[in-house]
Amino acid sequence: DQQVKQNSPSLSVQEGRISILNCDYTNSMFDYFLWYKKYPAEGPTFLISISSIKDKNEDGRFTVFLNKSAKHLSLHIVPSQPGDSAVYFCAAFKAAGNKLTFGGGTRVLVKP
Amino acid sequence: NAGVTQTPKFQVLKTGQSMTLQCAQDMNHNSMYWYRQDPGMGLRLIYYSASEGTTDKGEVPNGYNVSRLNKREFSLRLESAAPSQTSVYFCASSEIGRPGNTIYFGEGSWLTVV
Repeated sequence: DQQVKQNSPSLSVQEGRISILNCDYTNSMFDYFLWYKKYPAEGPTFLISISSIKDKNEDGRFTVFLNKSAKHLSLHIVPSQPGDSAVYFCAAFKAAGNKLTFGGGTRVLVKP
Repeated sequence: NAGVTQTPKFQVLKTGQSMTLQCAQDMNHNSMYWYRQDPGMGLRLIYYSASEGTTDKGEVPNGYNVSRLNKREFSLRLESAAPSQTSVYFCASSEIGRPGNTIYFGEGSWLTVV
């Protein structure tokens, strides 16, 4: 029973265009949602987060949108760059227990 | 700036063998975690330690044991390895109460059980 799902295992986009990564969750008790980026042979690194009481958070080229009624969040990368090619994990955080629950990941390829 | 260091980086085990993955962090974090990453499954929490002296099961604890040796170190033990435990293992640490942007991961340990 996956509480956090990323239904698109891969995404290919042209450099300079927008990348949109999607994530769905089932538990309405999560306090924060986060996106992590992972390069091969490295550990995941934090990218951006959003509180469950917000609907948008922006940091440079990265924007996360949260739709609580749909239990859905998305990450927009604009403009996409070749260095953005990586696996992106959506994660949900519950303060009680201090734990992160991850989605399955989306592999993004940005073509020059 | 070591951050989270885990060893070994690569290991091949035979079914039934035991081994311990070591993890240490130098950020004075209270909480430490062990995750495994499998294709299409994301990172799944095996065990975690919210603070020194405590450990709790995560999503997939079966076949594993952990020890929070002190505030810095959190080890993961496979008592009798099985092929289903072939995976990439990540140790992580964080401060209690922070929403996850202060969770730092090690570089991973690739384990193959044959």
